[in-house]
Amino acid sequence: AQRVTQPEKLLSVFKGAPVELKCNYSYSGSPELFWYVQYSRQRLQLLLRHISRESIKGFTADLNKGETSFHLKKPFAQEEDSAMYYCALSRGYNQGGKLIFGQGTELSVKP
Amino acid sequence: DSGVTQTPKHLITATGQRVTLRCSPRSGDLSVYWYQQSLDQGLQFLIQYYNGEERAKGNILERFSAQQFPDLHSELNLSSLELGDSALYFCASSVELGSRSTGELFFGEGSRLTVL
Repeated sequence: AQRVTQPEKLLSVFKGAPVELKCNYSYSGSPELFWYVQYSRQRLQLLLRHISRESIKGFTADLNKGETSFHLKKPFAQEEDSAMYYCALSRGYNQGGKLIFGQGTELSVKP
Repeated sequence: DSGVTQTPKHLITATGQRVTLRCSPRSGDLSVYWYQQSLDQGLQFLIQYYNGEERAKGNILERFSAQQFPDLHSELNLSSLELGDSALYFCASSVELGSRSTGELFFGEGSRLTVL
């Protein structure tokens, strides 16, 4: 069965500190992985996807198939990064858009 | 607003009742997804429609049903409501070309259902 696990419910860091939000998945095929973010009083929105290999708002994430992980990292956290972050998995580009989400991690960046 | 719109935003009802949640996708998006978010279960995929037809089904109860109309709006019907159905119900839409999807979903603000 496909599953996404985000082990931390809450991650609290100080401004300027590095941040890593963990995501592990279980899927026997070749998944597509995504990070979605929900800022306070805003809609859930796509932050980045592994296939794009891009950095968005200073965040990066690398798909590690050996460890079945897709951790989200940022070297220097900013207060505006405070939000709810969800890791999500899709069975693949040709398999439809259904996403399986993790439970989410709340990131709190303190001044 | 050309984004995903959901109505109503809040709904309070009693056990045993039936409610209908409505969703209008982004202009041009043919796919609509319904998700349920509860405190203990997180975001759970319920069902997906593509251009009026059911595409994928998740953990949707038999008491729940959905449909997508010719104008592409969708409705999620919840019947014989139980206390445990209290949750935030999200609708999302996406651009898809046939079976291909980018995986980017555009979410609505959600409909908060409280069953008393």
